[in-house]
Amino acid sequence: QKEVEQNSGPLSVPEGAIASLNCTYSDRGSQSFFWYRQYSGKSPELIMSIYSNGDKEDGRFTAQLNKASQYVSLLIRDSQPSDSATYLCAVYRLTGGFKTIFGAGTRLFVKA
Amino acid sequence: KAGVTQTPRYLIKTRGQQVTLSCSPISGHRSVSWYQQTPGQGLQFLFEYFSETQRNKGNFPGRFSGRQFSNSRSEMNVSTLELGDSALYLCASSPDSVGQPQHFGDGTRLSIL
Repeated sequence: QKEVEQNSGPLSVPEGAIASLNCTYSDRGSQSFFWYRQYSGKSPELIMSIYSNGDKEDGRFTAQLNKASQYVSLLIRDSQPSDSATYLCAVYRLTGGFKTIFGAGTRLFVKA
Repeated sequence: KAGVTQTPRYLIKTRGQQVTLSCSPISGHRSVSWYQQTPGQGLQFLFEYFSETQRNKGNFPGRFSGRQFSNSRSEMNVSTLELGDSALYLCASSPDSVGQPQHFGDGTRLSIL
């Protein structure tokens, strides 16, 4: 079992729709959770951080965390073609060494 | 505030050579992590440095090494290059090493011929 799992996609949504990206993690001791966006040929860019259970909203983005289910998600409202990218889920864990583990990413394609 | 700066942006080497990559973190950031990214393996953690000390190391052979200087700048060295070392090497910095988000540089794309 991978430490951080994401559906590789591609996830295809029409422009204006809500894109829902999901991530599960295996280490219950994980503390901090991040979503990064990576355009093709570019480096990852931080878009959201979430540390406690519940929802966190920032503009069109909402991150949701459920530690009991070891699940974190990212919702993108009013999806735009410019949102087409790979979205990486990252989890900071304490057990086995302090480090951030990245999922393999979900490719999102927003159709105009 | 300047972002994370990695140099060089591109490198072409041949098998058996060695290479040194450089990373200057965001001002005030003391933690620097290095990652290797390939299409098949995704982002793989190499190591993390904090206050000139290696805090963590990933599952890479000893040919991969690094260090951090007193000004938090970091270097990564790969010796005896192999074809499989061709990848994008990313450096990321954060204020400290405890659960804070990392900010990435543009990366160094290393090609081994």
